[in-house]
Amino acid sequence: EVQLVESGGGLVQPGRSLKLSCAASGFTFSSFPMAWVRQAPKKGLEWVASISSGGGGTYYPDSVKGRFTISRDNAKSTLYLQMDSLRSEDTASYYCARHFSNSNWFAYWGQGTLVTVSS
Amino acid sequence: EIVLTQSPTTMAASPGEKVTLTCRASSSVSYMHWYQQRSGASPKLWIYETSKLASGVPNRFSGSGSGTSYSLTINSMETEDAATYYCQQGSSYPPTFGAGTKLELK
Repeated sequence: EVQLVESGGGLVQPGRSLKLSCAASGFTFSSFPMAWVRQAPKKGLEWVASISSGGGGTYYPDSVKGRFTISRDNAKSTLYLQMDSLRSEDTASYYCARHFSNSNWFAYWGQGTLVTVSS
Repeated sequence: EIVLTQSPTTMAASPGEKVTLTCRASSSVSYMHWYQQRSGASPKLWIYETSKLASGVPNRFSGSGSGTSYSLTINSMETEDAATYYCQQGSSYPPTFGAGTKLELK
């Protein structure tokens, strides 16, 4: 059974940093691209970042480019999201998601971790 | 960026009723994917590549469409189908989602 378990969320002040983790199990982690998708309170879904299976390719929307960094440790089956220069509009639940093969859609999702950016 | 517009924003359906949700893309896409999100839960893949049901999805659900117009249909509404449904395109970067249709039980 595919499992994705996020951690690392919490309350952080504007301008500060936070690093999220996602522990994966139930599949060959190193074979699949991975992603982060967020959802602001009572709002819709927004893709935040993706990383290729080997980690050599990373992709971001303009809203987080230069502030967020996605990375992975295939030996530990763990995905990360380093979030710097956080803003109030980054407040959201952050979901770890597994791409379906090399396609740009998301076959499995974690339960999410809440990030609140507030002073 | 491809913008996806879902309609209606909210709707209510009675058990047994046929339901159709639509998703329109600002530019042509190759496929549309759909996710179900129940209250307080994370999203689940529901329909992929326009018409393929994800594992465990009841066959009362179906998907169709092409180009800029796609739809998700429930042949006969059941209680457990009450949720928010999001469409998503992955044909061009960035991947984008619609704002969702909240489907309630009448």
